[in-house]
Amino acid sequence: DVKVTQSSRYLVKRTGEKVFLECVQDMDHENMFWYRQDPGLGLRLIYFSYDVKMKEKGDIPEGYSVSREKKERFSLILESASTNQTSMYLCASSPLQGPGSGANVLTFGAGSRLTVL
Amino acid sequence: KQEVTQIPAALSVPEGENLVLNCSFTDSAIYNLQWFRQDPGKGLTSLLLIQSSQREQTSGRLNASLDKSSGRSTLYIAASQPGDSATYLCAVNRDDKIIFGKGTRLHILP
Repeated sequence: DVKVTQSSRYLVKRTGEKVFLECVQDMDHENMFWYRQDPGLGLRLIYFSYDVKMKEKGDIPEGYSVSREKKERFSLILESASTNQTSMYLCASSPLQGPGSGANVLTFGAGSRLTVL
Repeated sequence: KQEVTQIPAALSVPEGENLVLNCSFTDSAIYNLQWFRQDPGKGLTSLLLIQSSQREQTSGRLNASLDKSSGRSTLYIAASQPGDSATYLCAVNRDDKIIFGKGTRLHILP
């Protein structure tokens, strides 16, 4: 069974702390995504990556950075956590080869619920 | 800018009824549309993917249709069960940017 695994289901951090959210997929997918999900706002794309060492900003990248050193791993980094980053974070991957392909199917991890105090 | 809307935001129906969930999008030039299910506090599970060239897809009691010209998709659930209670989201793919609706929260009454 193919999987996207997010290392932490629940995290509690303090304002100003550096936070790492890890995501690993075992499907050899090229593309990986980080979303956050908030009540009333739905899913919003933070960053995505089409290949190793490649990253693209999504709709709300401010306050976040990402790292993709290996194909299977996509990390989301909060350099200095703030209370407005309290949210559910969802990682996803897809086999999309590049722009124009219509065959991508997003597979999501179970989510990481982050609380920043 | 592509916008995806799901109405209603919440729906309660008695067990055993057939039901339809709606998804509308503003830009008809999409590559595909995907329906997901999300249980409380969990990630999203893919239910059905419809390519832009397709009109519908079926999986068990679920049937999803796509009408690109009118910017609409429906998810039909037959013979609903309490286990179908969840939030259902649709997502459209255009230029590799995947835009989600905010979902319909479905409650099946036993």
